[in-house]
Amino acid sequence: AAGVIQSPRHLIKEKRETATLKCYPIPRHDTVYWYQQGPGQDPQFLISFYEKMQSDKGSIPDRFSAQQFSDYHSELNMSSLELGDSALYFCASRMDSRFGNEQFFGPGTRLTVL
Amino acid sequence: KNQVEQSPQSLIILEGKNCTLQCNYTVSPFSNLRWYKQDTGRGPVSLTIMTFSENTKSNGRYTATLDADTKQSSLHITASQLSDSASYICVVSAASGTYKYIFGTGTRLKVLA
Repeated sequence: AAGVIQSPRHLIKEKRETATLKCYPIPRHDTVYWYQQGPGQDPQFLISFYEKMQSDKGSIPDRFSAQQFSDYHSELNMSSLELGDSALYFCASRMDSRFGNEQFFGPGTRLTVL
Repeated sequence: KNQVEQSPQSLIILEGKNCTLQCNYTVSPFSNLRWYKQDTGRGPVSLTIMTFSENTKSNGRYTATLDADTKQSSLHITASQLSDSASYICVVSAASGTYKYIFGTGTRLKVLA
């Protein structure tokens, strides 16, 4: 069965650079969530999209932006990278067809900021 | 404030032994509770999901319980295997808005041969 695809899987950037992370949800899933997981920490919700519109916003820094495209894939754009942005970034997708439907997580993108 | 707390923070057991992980939550209004297994550097994988009316649910060697009155859940792992070594995360979904997940702090389990 198709799963959530994230690219790249690993990314190394330097301070003040920009990065773009991509997420391809499971087919027919219309909702995408982004999470940030620092070393030894639980995932923190950043932002979510439903039908290409932002549906909820969490602890996403102003330096980050995201969008969902017409094919439902999503991109997380990160600018002016800081050392503290080094983390595992997860994308999850969900089909908003019934109450409480599960989020399926991608494998994550490990971002290292040097 | 919606919170999910887990204990113990870490656990080491011998292969073949059983163990129980705990989760306490203060999420309201409550929708459902999930236990996830997360291998290092990988995305979380769902083990069980429990709604308000469910007390126990099993998935192979994993058995989850839920007490909605005391807002507590447990995950019992039977006959542990080396491959059970991972982080186990309790995730509670609030019954509002976008069904945002509220993650617990996780329990890091290490199974030794």
